[in-house]
Amino acid sequence: ETGVTQSPTHLIKTRGQQVTLRCSSQSGHNTVSWYQQALGQGPQFIFQYYREEENGRGNFPPRFSGLQFPNYSSELNVNALELDDSALYLCASSSPGTSGSLGTQYFGPGTRLTVL
Amino acid sequence: KQEVTQIPAALSVPEGENLVLNCSFTDSAIYNLQWFRQDPGKGLTSLLLIQSSQREQTSGRLNASLDKSSGRSTLYIAASQPGDSATYLCAVANFGNEKLTFGTGTRLTIIP
Repeated sequence: ETGVTQSPTHLIKTRGQQVTLRCSSQSGHNTVSWYQQALGQGPQFIFQYYREEENGRGNFPPRFSGLQFPNYSSELNVNALELDDSALYLCASSSPGTSGSLGTQYFGPGTRLTVL
Repeated sequence: KQEVTQIPAALSVPEGENLVLNCSFTDSAIYNLQWFRQDPGKGLTSLLLIQSSQREQTSGRLNASLDKSSGRSTLYIAASQPGDSATYLCAVANFGNEKLTFGTGTRLTIIP
């Protein structure tokens, strides 16, 4: 059984560019969540995908978008990059818990994005 | 809106001491609470998960407790070691909610 993997590990972009980050979920998990962690802060929820549909979104603008594929892997796309988008982007996979609540989440190693 | 607070933001203790990290949350209708460890620039490693029906969980030298009525959790680390140096984050999941809400973490340094 493989864990959650993310690519790339590090990425440097300039303001205004677009970026795509990738996540492979843990075997057997059909839910992927994305979080942004700025330096010195706790992770902030961006959105979640369940069976290829967006299933909840945090307080992030529409230039943050995502996809989930039939194999449950996922992409996070950010358009028109801003300096404040510099952060560690974390992906977590899970299976749904009871009562529609969140199952145990398993995190990947993250992608460090630097916007210059 | 759930808010999670961790105090202190940083803590330094000599090796061998027992220590307690604190986490408080504003909405007691939680599904579970999870403690994570994060090494600098790295992802999150889950340490302990407490379901809302539980009072505590133990793993090796770690013990986490949960008091929903007061909106508090503690992570107890026994016989601290330099390898325990890291940032410790707590996160809560609410019923019917699709996300984890994190605190800002406690940066722990164990002094050899």
